[in-house]
Amino acid sequence: QVQLVQSGAEVKKPGASVKVSCKASGYTFTSYYMHWVRQAPGQGLEWMGIINPSGGSTSYAQKFQGRVTMTRDTSTSTVYMELSSLRSEDTAVYYCARGWWELILWGQGTLVTVSS
Amino acid sequence: QSALTQPASVSGSPGQSITISCTGTSSDVGSYNLVSWYQQHPGKAPKLMIYEVSKRPSGVSNRFSGSKSGNTASLTISGLQAEDEADYYCCSYAGSSTSWVFGGGTKLTVL
Repeated sequence: QVQLVQSGAEVKKPGASVKVSCKASGYTFTSYYMHWVRQAPGQGLEWMGIINPSGGSTSYAQKFQGRVTMTRDTSTSTVYMELSSLRSEDTAVYYCARGWWELILWGQGTLVTVSS
Repeated sequence: QSALTQPASVSGSPGQSITISCTGTSSDVGSYNLVSWYQQHPGKAPKLMIYEVSKRPSGVSNRFSGSKSGNTASLTISGLQAEDEADYYCCSYAGSSTSWVFGGGTKLTVL
C-alpha cells in the first residue's frame, strides 16, 4: 500500500549531525514532492523544507538555512533529511510528508533526542 | 515567518458544533486559497482533514468543513463526537520565499 516508512529513533550529542530517512512505497516516487516537518515535545508543528524527488531541488525554511540538507535516492525511493550542529532545542519528532500545497500522506515520525 | 495564530483550546459537548480560527496575514492566508487543516491524536502522525480552504479528502467525514475570510481561515466541526478530541493545526502556503507556515495548534476537548 501507499506508505512512508521512516528510520528509527536517534540519540545525538550537541554539535553532532543526524540523518533521517523516509522510504516511499506504493506510488511513483518522483511524482510527488516531500516535505519535512518537526514537532518538539508538547509543541506544535514546524515546517522545515521541501524536496522535489524528481530533480532533487529543495527549498528550506529560513530558520534552518545552512543547517539542513534534504536529498533523495531515486534507486531506493528514499528521501533524507540531515540536520547539523544539533542543539537541545532540536529534540523533536521529525516527519516526512508527501504533497505540494497540502501534506497528504505522513510518515510515522522519527524521534531525535539531543542530549549530552 | 511567524506562525499562524490559533486559539490554544476549544471545547464542546457531543452533538454540538465548534469552530477553530486560524489568523495569518496578507502574505499567507490572505493571499492564497491554500489553507489546509490537520488532526493529530496523541502519539500519532497528523492527518489531513481539509485542503485548499474548504475541500475534504476522500474518507474525511462531511462533519468537517473549512472556510476563509480575509486573513482568517476557519475549521468547523459539526455533530461533535468523542473521537474528534485531538489537536488541530492549520497550515498555509506563504509564497516562494517563505513557503509553508503552520498555526500553533488548538486542543479540542469533547466534554
